[in-house]
Amino acid sequence: NAGVTQTPKFRILKIGQSMTLQCTQDMNHNYMYWYRQDPGMGLKLIYYSVGAGITDKGEVPNGYNVSRSTTEDFPLRLELAAPSQTSVYFCASSSHGTGRNTIYFGEGSWLTVV
Amino acid sequence: QQQVKQSPQSLIVQKGGISIINCAYENTAFDYFPWYQQFPGKGPALLIAIRPDVSEKKEGRFTISFNKSAKQFSLHIMDSQPGDSATYFCAASMEETSGSRLTFGEGTQLTVNP
Repeated sequence: NAGVTQTPKFRILKIGQSMTLQCTQDMNHNYMYWYRQDPGMGLKLIYYSVGAGITDKGEVPNGYNVSRSTTEDFPLRLELAAPSQTSVYFCASSSHGTGRNTIYFGEGSWLTVV
Repeated sequence: QQQVKQSPQSLIVQKGGISIINCAYENTAFDYFPWYQQFPGKGPALLIAIRPDVSEKKEGRFTISFNKSAKQFSLHIMDSQPGDSATYFCAASMEETSGSRLTFGEGTQLTVNP
């Protein structure tokens, strides 16, 4: 029972490099999300998707891009990495879009930009 | 404004004691208030949730108390155990046309000493 799977678990990037964080879910959920978690700041929504082919910005989208070509996959692209993007990134999914629906999180991707 | 304020930032209790974490919100349109529990190296997971039409919800040792007029809610952990040591996030959301966009508090790191 995999749930939400993220790769890589850990990554060190140099300033200006680009990379993609991969996320896949096997629960056939329509809704998927990317959050970042910084110490003492809670979780901030970067981007979300309500279904294949549809994405929208969250609170902190600058410096990131996403795509949703299939129901299962929701990769997050970092272009021109900056030290401010050092964070823990969580992908998540939910079956419906109502505010009362449980969101399931992956185990996180630790990214350091140096 | 969609903010959720959480306190304390960290909490240390003895085994068998009561842990209390408080949250306050501003947006009266919020209508769902979940608590998420996060263990080190893992993603957050739903612990318990409440709707504003009730003042209290209990699940085992975990209780949410909700005060709609004060726009505050709290998590009480009775008979706290070392296994409860984790980071706890309160959150809030509202019915929207798209997406379960949770607004998270800053998190509380709970340590239960044996």
